[in-house]
Amino acid sequence: DAKTTQPPSMDCAEGRAANLPCNHSTISGNEYVYWYRQIHSQGPQYIIHGLKNNETNEMASLIITEDRKSSTLILPHATLRDTAVYYCIVRGFSGGYNKLIFGAGTRLAVHP
Amino acid sequence: NAGVTQTPKFQVLKTGQSMTLQCAQDMNHEYMSWYRQDPGMGLRLIHYSVGAGITDQGEVPNGYNVSRSTTEDFPLRLLSAAPSQTSVYFCASSYDGDRAGNTIYFGEGSWLTVV
Repeated sequence: DAKTTQPPSMDCAEGRAANLPCNHSTISGNEYVYWYRQIHSQGPQYIIHGLKNNETNEMASLIITEDRKSSTLILPHATLRDTAVYYCIVRGFSGGYNKLIFGAGTRLAVHP
Repeated sequence: NAGVTQTPKFQVLKTGQSMTLQCAQDMNHEYMSWYRQDPGMGLRLIHYSVGAGITDQGEVPNGYNVSRSTTEDFPLRLLSAAPSQTSVYFCASSYDGDRAGNTIYFGEGSWLTVV
């Protein structure tokens, strides 16, 4: 599975867009980019995922570069409740099973 | 819609005791798995199952046992608890683990302390 690199922490003002970058330069063609977040050690919460195209849902947008070596998660109007650790994960079919490999993630702090 | 349900939420064990963490899902998912998360770290896969009657080891399986007698349930057994197993445990499930495009859903976690 490809590894990901994320900044350890970021700040964002409430109401502004939060743009969380992720580098996955060794991603292969059949691997998806997933984003999860974890609030106060609760269970990881699914946010969004994509393969090649940009994706948008009610929570966020995912922008994947054309070469697929990096992506950006966008929270369009961050609120205090978006303060969490955000994990960028590259997921593929590996060794006969499908697993998520979590790195250290980005700790996003949304402030008033 | 309960999703993935884990019990108990908190447990304190003495070294050498055994116990079972329960996990149930009501989404008819074939794929279920157990992760542990140590302080300040990401989740690591312990065991997984691609369907009833089928289980296999993940990254850190030692000291744990699993079984999958039904689609809904995937219990995790600690055979002889050790302080190194103090952690937060998460159960997860998804449709067809062979497809990378299927979303994995997590339970709320079980906090285990071994003294």
